[in-house]
Amino acid sequence: GENVEQHPSTLSVQEGDSAVIKCTYSDSASNYFPWYKQELGKGPQLIIDIRSNVGEKKDQRIAVTLNKTAKHFSLHITETQPEDSAVYFCAASIGGGSYIPTFGRGTSLIVHP
Amino acid sequence: GAVVSQHPSRVICKSGTSVKIECRSLDFQATTMFWYRQFPKKSLMLMATSNEGSKATYEQGVEKDKFLINHASLTLSTLTVTSAHPEDSSFYICSAQERGIQYFGAGTRLSVL
Repeated sequence: GENVEQHPSTLSVQEGDSAVIKCTYSDSASNYFPWYKQELGKGPQLIIDIRSNVGEKKDQRIAVTLNKTAKHFSLHITETQPEDSAVYFCAASIGGGSYIPTFGRGTSLIVHP
Repeated sequence: GAVVSQHPSRVICKSGTSVKIECRSLDFQATTMFWYRQFPKKSLMLMATSNEGSKATYEQGVEKDKFLINHASLTLSTLTVTSAHPEDSSFYICSAQERGIQYFGAGTRLSVL
């Protein structure tokens, strides 16, 4: 089955800096890669996703890149703010129909004011 | 994006009692919903896949008689923790799919005394 590795487990940055979280996956059939943000005591919220026919996607301060050959994808957050502090999960799955995504272990991002 | 409502957000119960958690897709129909369990500072652990009109599919190691899942309609799935014990205390999260994208509820914090 699919295996998703996520690094780092903890990331501490100063407000205004950039943050990068990286994930690798093992199943070359995976073609859908969502990222979720989970604040303390809440459920994960989808913040951005990318499909395998695209190499990069950007939404304001958030961007995701995908390298299919190397089987890795990354989340980039620019101009970080304290409210970006949360746990971020990457996931990989075969999109379309009923699928079950495989999640990474999560990255705890701490943005210091 | 789509909205998934989970209720209650927090429940405290005595050991030996049963607790029901509801998961509703508010603005879409979901033939498939998922139930996860999350331990502190850990990733999401898939417990079972809930299929409308049929039996749920449980992951290995999850007791189906302990965690009863009912998906009686296209917008509602319920998880009942039967004869709860302190070790069942955890954060339970449901999700529902729309067009291949998974949306999560806000989670339920279960504390068994």
